[in-house]
Amino acid sequence: AQSVAQPEDQVNVAEGNPLTVKCTYSVSGNPYLFWYVQYPNRGLQFLLKYITGDNLVKGSYGFEAEFNKSQTSFHLKKPSALVSDSALYFCAVRDGGNRKLIWGLGTSLAVNP
Amino acid sequence: SAVISQKPSRDICQRGTSLTIQCQVDSQVTMMFWYRQQPGQSLTLIATANQGSEATYESGFVIDKFPISRPNLTFSTLTVSNMSPEDSSIYLCSVIQGFGTEAFFGQGTRLTVV
Repeated sequence: AQSVAQPEDQVNVAEGNPLTVKCTYSVSGNPYLFWYVQYPNRGLQFLLKYITGDNLVKGSYGFEAEFNKSQTSFHLKKPSALVSDSALYFCAVRDGGNRKLIWGLGTSLAVNP
Repeated sequence: SAVISQKPSRDICQRGTSLTIQCQVDSQVTMMFWYRQQPGQSLTLIATANQGSEATYESGFVIDKFPISRPNLTFSTLTVSNMSPEDSSIYLCSVIQGFGTEAFFGQGTRLTVV
């Protein structure tokens, strides 16, 4: 069965420090992996995706993520966090033959000034 | 990316009534989905809206409670019928364009049932 795990409910980081939000997945076929961000009282915004190719993908707002097939992980990273990055982050996955996304439970990121 | 207009943005409804939520996209899209989300929690897929045919519902969701229409490739509605306080939630419309892979979301409808 397909699944996504975000092991941390909350991540706290100081402004200017690097941040990592973790995601691991399980799919039967080739994984399509996504990160979304949700600011308070807003819909979800697409950040980045991995479909194929380079394991390091770059997305919006300076975020990047690294696909690691052996560890079945797709961690979201940013070299220097901003207070405005504080939001709820969701990892999602689907296998290539299915349009339906499987969602993680979300990680609340708090960036402290 | 698609521009998705979802209406209403919020509503407060009496129990036993129904609310219809509209999702309008500025371009034709292949797939349209309806999700439910409790504030601060993950998304739960209600159904896939199929153009010109009955929606495909996920386990735990039925057509009588959540009838969905999709008359064309740019528009869909979700109705929450015979509402109870347990239906209070955020309802999100989502689309996938053509051969694209990522999904895009409307701003959501925050429903409170009293």
